[in-house]
Amino acid sequence: KNQVEQSPQSLIILEGKNCTLQCNYTVSPFSNLRWYKQDTGRGPVSLTIMTFSENTKSNGRYTATLDADTKQSSLHITASQLSDSASYICVVIDGGSQGNLIFGKGTKLSVKP
Amino acid sequence: DAGVIQSPRHEVTEMGQEVTLRCKPISGHDYLFWYRQTMMRGLELLIYFNNNVPIDDSGMPEDRFSAKMPNASFSTLKIQPSEPRDSAVYFCASSSTGNSPLHFGNGTRLTVT
Repeated sequence: KNQVEQSPQSLIILEGKNCTLQCNYTVSPFSNLRWYKQDTGRGPVSLTIMTFSENTKSNGRYTATLDADTKQSSLHITASQLSDSASYICVVIDGGSQGNLIFGKGTKLSVKP
Repeated sequence: DAGVIQSPRHEVTEMGQEVTLRCKPISGHDYLFWYRQTMMRGLELLIYFNNNVPIDDSGMPEDRFSAKMPNASFSTLKIQPSEPRDSAVYFCASSSTGNSPLHFGNGTRLTVT
């Protein structure tokens, strides 16, 4: 069964610290993996898209990694800011004809001053 | 572009009543998706359209749910009759192609009492 598991479920860090969020998946065949940021009361917003051949991709203070062999991805946030407080959702798109999106349940990050 | 626009932002209704959620996708986007988000299950795809045609409605929970897209700039999700277990945040999203990132609206928070 195609699944996306994220850890931790929630995380609290102090402003200025770094953190890493994990995403493990069993989706096969694989097409690409996306990280979304969802602020409270808002819809998710795309942060990165990673294809099979990409190992690392950065978007400002956000760096995503992908290991297609172990089916793992991580999202690293550097020098966290209060505005990073949000849920981060990992989405894997399968490589089948319909390109289904399989969503993780997200990691809720709280950045405290 | 104003992004994906959903209305209403909040809806409170009594069990048994009809509920209609509305969505205006980003102009030029050929794909429109309806999702439901709950704490327990995360984001779940209900139905998606391509060029106004429903492609996959396998996520629609039951016959009480129906969705239409009469033109490229408008879609509705209707629940009739509504039940307390339908309480959730309903998101509409659009994308330009099947492989493009999704652009989400800010959702409609539905509460059925």
